[in-house]
Amino acid sequence: GQNIDQPTEMTATEGAIVQINCTYQTSGFNGLFWYQQHAGEAPTFLSYNVLDGLEEKGRFSSFLSRSKGYSYLLLKELQMKDSASYLCAVRGLSGAGSYQLTFGKGTKLSVIP
Amino acid sequence: KAGVTQTPRYLIKTRGQQVTLSCSPISGHRSVSWYQQTPGQGLQFLFEYFSETQRNKGNFPGRFSGRQFSNSRSEMNVSTLELGDSALYLCASSLVGEAGELFFGEGSRLTVL
Repeated sequence: GQNIDQPTEMTATEGAIVQINCTYQTSGFNGLFWYQQHAGEAPTFLSYNVLDGLEEKGRFSSFLSRSKGYSYLLLKELQMKDSASYLCAVRGLSGAGSYQLTFGKGTKLSVIP
Repeated sequence: KAGVTQTPRYLIKTRGQQVTLSCSPISGHRSVSWYQQTPGQGLQFLFEYFSETQRNKGNFPGRFSGRQFSNSRSEMNVSTLELGDSALYLCASSLVGEAGELFFGEGSRLTVL
């Protein structure tokens, strides 16, 4: 099976930097995704890592260490609109032998002035 | 390019009834996945369809079923509704198979009374 852990809630100040961690255990790891979900809206894709290292995309960066089963999402220059839930999702082998995307419960980030 | 469309957006049912939810994926996407989202459990995988075949199924009882049509549209059905089935049901489509980047619809919010 797959197990994904991430903090339930975080609070950060506008303009600051925040790091959201995700640890996982899975069979047949084949990629890690981060999604953003604003309250009442659908999740939207933020980033994808399959190899170790840092992927940067504007104010958002995502890091992966496959040996440690660890990833983080780094948000710089926080804006009020970044208040949302951030979902870590891991692609791994299901019991049926095909790949399945499993989500963590999400980290609710509140950005305060 | 139209996004993923889910209908109905909101519905209220009573215990013991059954419900059918519909999902139209992005044009050209052949993979459709369904997730149940609740505040306590986050996003939980229900099933994935690719080219009319169910490729993966999550740990949900047999009351939850689905299908995909030749035009890639998908439906999911829940029979003998229980109070605990109240949730947001999200559909996501993917261009490639094997759990690629997911594009989510706005969801169908089901309330069971």
